[in-house]
Amino acid sequence: DAGVTQSPTHLIKTRGQQVTLRCSPKSGHDTVSWYQQALGQGPQFIFQYYEEEERQRGNFPDRFSGHQFPNYSSELNVNALLLGDSALYLCASSLDFGTQKETQYFGPGTRLLVL
Amino acid sequence: QKEVEQDPGPLSVPEGAIVSLNCTYSNSAFQYFMWYRQYSRKGPELLMYTYSSGNKEDGRFTAQVDKSSKYISLFIRDSQPSDSATYLCAMSLAGSYQLTFGKGTKLSVIP
Repeated sequence: DAGVTQSPTHLIKTRGQQVTLRCSPKSGHDTVSWYQQALGQGPQFIFQYYEEEERQRGNFPDRFSGHQFPNYSSELNVNALLLGDSALYLCASSLDFGTQKETQYFGPGTRLLVL
Repeated sequence: QKEVEQDPGPLSVPEGAIVSLNCTYSNSAFQYFMWYRQYSRKGPELLMYTYSSGNKEDGRFTAQVDKSSKYISLFIRDSQPSDSATYLCAMSLAGSYQLTFGKGTKLSVIP
């Protein structure tokens, strides 16, 4: 049973650049959420995608955008990178059914460093 | 005041000890409560999930939710060195897809 996978594992970018991170959900899951985890902090919710639409968004600027594909995989795009965007970006998947929608399973994350 | 407060530790205990990890929260509307374990440089791993108040046990782990006090706990019995990790509490509102996390407590179990 394949778990949540993310790519790349590490990334180094320069201020002002753009970055795309990728996520494949756990087998059988149809919902993908993205979180940002700064060093020493808990994950912060960016947004969730379901049926190829952004369903809910956290307190993040429009520089953060996403996409979900018909196979349920997802991308997170961040434009005009700032130093403060350096963090571990986590993808979580879930199944939009009954009580299972509240249980989210996380991938290993992509560690982004902005110089 | 943050929505979810969690003592970051670090917490160091000898092998075999009972560990108690706690979170308090301010929003009484939270309905779903989770505990995740995160090893260094890895993604969080779901340990326990509970709905509303009460206790839930799974092996060496017990999760407790006291909604009247807005307080949740995770107990680890017979702690092992492999339990050394950061433990994150998380919670969500009914009808919301967002998990709100605490900062995490770093636990070290010393052999």
